[in-house]
Amino acid sequence: GIQVEQSPPDLILQEGANSTLRCNFSDSVNNLQWFHQNPWGQLINLFYIPSGTKQNGRLSATTVATERYSLLYISSSQTTDSGVYFCAVLSQGGSEKLVFGKGTKLTVNP
Amino acid sequence: DGGITQSPKYLFRKEGQNVTLSCEQNLNHDAMYWYRQDPGQGLRLIYYSQIVNDFQKGDIAEGYSVSREKKESFPLTVTSAQKNPTAFYLCASSGGQGDTQYFGPGTRLTVL
Repeated sequence: GIQVEQSPPDLILQEGANSTLRCNFSDSVNNLQWFHQNPWGQLINLFYIPSGTKQNGRLSATTVATERYSLLYISSSQTTDSGVYFCAVLSQGGSEKLVFGKGTKLTVNP
Repeated sequence: DGGITQSPKYLFRKEGQNVTLSCEQNLNHDAMYWYRQDPGQGLRLIYYSQIVNDFQKGDIAEGYSVSREKKESFPLTVTSAQKNPTAFYLCASSGGQGDTQYFGPGTRLTVL
């Protein structure tokens, strides 16, 4: 099945810094989502982005489907950005299953 | 308010007991999903349902069972056959295959 790899596994920033999180996937995809899991476990949708670029406030994402990767940019990070960021993909191969990466744990210090 | 609710938030179970986790959505979504998350790991799919009265096994279905009698509800039963049930369980729903999935707040199950 499709493989999803996220990097880095851990990231520590000072408040105000920018960061880039990466998601590589091994096959063509119909669906790619970025999620933020807060310290209480809630998964929040950030982007639905199988291709192209989207922006929402301080966050933006770009997926280059032909090269099988997606990037999540966080600018001017805040302590509330802390948590785990997951990338999840749905393969074009006919599978109905969303496959998750292992996540990037982000800690933003004041 | 539209959304997905899961109950209870925390659940404790003795070994050998079955337990049922609730998931309800009022988003009018056709598809619903159950995932399991272990510490430091991503989510793994247990079961999913694309339509009422139909469901399919995910990657780790052994020791679990589900039903989908109503569009709004997709309860998950963790049976005594599940060897390592302590985990965080997340329910999700979507309008259909390939659509954005929305998640509930989760149930943290601990087997004593």
